[in-house]
Amino acid sequence: AQSVSQHNHHVILSEAASLELGCNYSYGGTVNLFWYVQYPGQHLQLLLKYFSGDPLVKGIKGFEAEFIKSKFSFNLRKPSVQWSDTAEYFCAVTGAGSYQLTFGKGTKLSVIP
Amino acid sequence: SAVISQKPSRDICQRGTSLTIQCQVDSQVTMMFWYRQQPGQSLTLIATANQGSEATYESGFVIDKFPISRPNLTFSTLTVSNMSPEDSSIYLCSVPTGGMGLSSHNEQFFGPGTRLTVL
Repeated sequence: AQSVSQHNHHVILSEAASLELGCNYSYGGTVNLFWYVQYPGQHLQLLLKYFSGDPLVKGIKGFEAEFIKSKFSFNLRKPSVQWSDTAEYFCAVTGAGSYQLTFGKGTKLSVIP
Repeated sequence: SAVISQKPSRDICQRGTSLTIQCQVDSQVTMMFWYRQQPGQSLTLIATANQGSEATYESGFVIDKFPISRPNLTFSTLTVSNMSPEDSSIYLCSVPTGGMGLSSHNEQFFGPGTRLTVL
């Protein structure tokens, strides 16, 4: 069975600090990887995705993630966070051709002005 | 992108009762998905609802507890039956981005969720 681990439950950063949120997955096949974000009071929305090709993917709002197959990781990064990045971030995985998303438990990010 | 609405947005229910949650999409979609997010936990897929056929349930979820309807290509309901406090969760529906055509990229749009509290 596939699983996703997010290393941090709650991260607190000051504005302009750099961000890296860890995500490791377990799956025995070709995967599609996602980061979703949920801003306070809003829907869950897609931040970025990886399917194939360049393992460094860029998403909205300056976020990027790197797929490292040998480490089964898909860490999310942003060089300089803003207060508006305060949200909960979810890593998710699905097998190629499948719609069955498996989510991590989420990481709550609080950015202090 | 699809616009998804859910009703109710939240509810507080008594143990032993049932609640039906509605999910409406502004465009036709082949599949609709129902997820549960228990407090402090990740989102877990309950079932996939296909129009014209019975829903497909994930391990640990059964039709008697979570009956699903899919009467047309834009609407689905999930019923949480004979509720207990352990059913207190956020219930979300989602749809694939491909609409009527299956997206090869497996992205999904999510609804706003229904926050259920069972006393």
